[in-house]
Amino acid sequence: EAELVESGGGFVQPGGSLRLSCAASGFSFSSYWMNWVRQVPGKGLVWISRINVAGTTITYEESVRGRFTISRDNTKNMLYLEMNSLRGEDTAVYFCAKDSGPFDIWGRGTLVSVSS
Amino acid sequence: DIQMTQSPSTLSASVGDTVTITCRASQNIDMWLAWYQQHPGRAPKVLIHEASNLANGVPSRFSGSGSGTEFTLTISNLQPDDFATFYCQHYYDFSPSFGQGTKLEVK
Repeated sequence: EAELVESGGGFVQPGGSLRLSCAASGFSFSSYWMNWVRQVPGKGLVWISRINVAGTTITYEESVRGRFTISRDNTKNMLYLEMNSLRGEDTAVYFCAKDSGPFDIWGRGTLVSVSS
Repeated sequence: DIQMTQSPSTLSASVGDTVTITCRASQNIDMWLAWYQQHPGRAPKVLIHEASNLANGVPSRFSGSGSGTEFTLTISNLQPDDFATFYCQHYYDFSPSFGQGTKLEVK
């Protein structure tokens, strides 16, 4: 069964950094684009980044561009999100999602809290 | 960037009712639209893709229609598990985006 499991969330001070990981299993990870989506508790879904199978085509939502970096390791079936210069408004649950056009597989999310 | 706008933001209904949610795109997205359902504390689940195609395992009381810039999600014969928040999403270009969500609550 296809599964995504995020990890790496936690508490961080403003200006700090955090690296999220997403472990994929049960499908051919190297064949699919992947995404990160975040959700402030009680608010809506916001797509923040997307990466193609080779890691050569990458896009970001405007609010994270220049601060966040998406990457992947197809040999380890892993997706990553490096987050720098974190702000209070980055506090959210971060989901990774498999891209088949629609996002057909989602992880359960990992909570990132940015606060002093 | 393409903006997605859903209406209404909140919808009150009863078990057995039929409800419709509308999603509008700020530019033409052909049929590249998906609908998701999310229960509190859970990950979203895809219901509809390519505007009108039912995802695997999704009950037939869910249906989608539309193309271009205007789309609808219709849920017939509402069941207790259907009460949740629904999102539309386009995947027309490299920057997919979601609507702001529609919360379906029990009247």
